[in-house]
Amino acid sequence: RKEVEQDPGPFNVPEGATVAFNCTYSNSASQSFFWYRQDCRKEPKLLMSVYSSGNEDGRFTAQLNRASQYISLLIRDSKLSDSATYLCVVNEAGANNLFFGTGTRLTVIP
Amino acid sequence: EAQVTQNPRYLITVTGKKLTVTCSQNMNHEYMSWYRQDPGLGLRQIYYSMNVEVTDKGDVPEGYKVSRKEKRNFPLILESPSPNQTSLYFCASSLMGAYGYTFGSGTRLTVV
Repeated sequence: RKEVEQDPGPFNVPEGATVAFNCTYSNSASQSFFWYRQDCRKEPKLLMSVYSSGNEDGRFTAQLNRASQYISLLIRDSKLSDSATYLCVVNEAGANNLFFGTGTRLTVIP
Repeated sequence: EAQVTQNPRYLITVTGKKLTVTCSQNMNHEYMSWYRQDPGLGLRQIYYSMNVEVTDKGDVPEGYKVSRKEKRNFPLILESPSPNQTSLYFCASSLMGAYGYTFGSGTRLTVV
């Protein structure tokens, strides 16, 4: 069983749409949660950390449900520049390993 | 500019020929890691280091070595590369794991 599971997509949405990605993790001891963005053939870049209370950064909203071991990312008013692969990432308490999902690919269409 | 620098960006080599991929960070980060990324498998940790002279195995350490003689540098060594080590490699650093990692631009390695 994978540590972190994501729907690989692809998600093809029109500009201006709202899109949501979901992710589940297997280890209940996981402590830190992130969403990374990766453009084709580029390095992953931290998009946002995910906090238990939920957090928002402009058009992006992240939610964490510890009871269900579930993380989500909501993108509002999608832009062409949002086209990328979004990686769900989990860090276990006291561990130095990030566990990555395989990513969800998003394409925003004009 | 705060960054993680990897070299080379692209490398084609033959089976068994030792190679080193360098990684350097200028953020005074304690934590450094190496990952490989393969289609359908996502990023998997090879080795990590919590500080100078402190290294440990990640999920897929076989066939790799690392060293951390200085805080800023964390080279990845393939003593005898094999074709199954063909992959995209990323070095990453972090102040602390809970703060997220900054990644280098990647090294695309092909072993023939």
